[in-house]
Amino acid sequence: DAGVTQSPTHLIKTRGQQVTLRCSPKSGHDTVSWYQQALGQGPQFIFQYYEEEERQRGNFPDRFSGHQFPNYSSELNVNALLLGDSALYLCASSSRLASSYNEQFFGPGTRLTVL
Amino acid sequence: AQTVTQSQPEMSVQEAETVTLSCTYDTSESDYYLFWYKQPPSRQMILVIRQEAYKQQNATENRFSVNFQKAAKSFSLKISDSQLGDAAMYFCAYSHKDSGGSNYKLTFGKGTLLTMNP
Repeated sequence: DAGVTQSPTHLIKTRGQQVTLRCSPKSGHDTVSWYQQALGQGPQFIFQYYEEEERQRGNFPDRFSGHQFPNYSSELNVNALLLGDSALYLCASSSRLASSYNEQFFGPGTRLTVL
Repeated sequence: AQTVTQSQPEMSVQEAETVTLSCTYDTSESDYYLFWYKQPPSRQMILVIRQEAYKQQNATENRFSVNFQKAAKSFSLKISDSQLGDAAMYFCAYSHKDSGGSNYKLTFGKGTLLTMNP
């Protein structure tokens, strides 16, 4: 059973460019959350998707957008990249179907460097 | 807004010894969840232990246990019989489930780097 997968592993972009990061959730999961982890910091919540809609959003500008596909996979898009967007981007998947809290399983992350 | 504070940027422990990592949080919710996550150099965030706020009994998972003090909003992690593989960044995190049935966002502390003394 494959866990959460993310692509690419590493990415280098220049300021002003756009980037798309991809995430495939763990089998059986329908919810995807994205987090940004700057160097030496804890992850910060960006947004969460289920049923192909953004359901919750953290304190991130509109340059950060996302999408969820019918197969539950998700994309994170960042436009007009800034140096400060350099970080590890983590995807986490979970399920809304169980009666109790469901663990969020994390992927290995995508390391984005903006030059 | 919920906040999570980890006051120890770095801790060290000798193999086979016990270490305790501290965490405090702030919330106005009555029903919530607390977590300790481990992030080794490989970057993969791994759940170590989870505590439901409505449960008075402290959670345990093998060598890992927590001291949950709800009134004090404190949630410390104790690692017993420390092993080399325990060296990693440890994050304390908070969450609650919203009325729509989805898992609410995780709010993380800044982390504590645990290193092993030779």
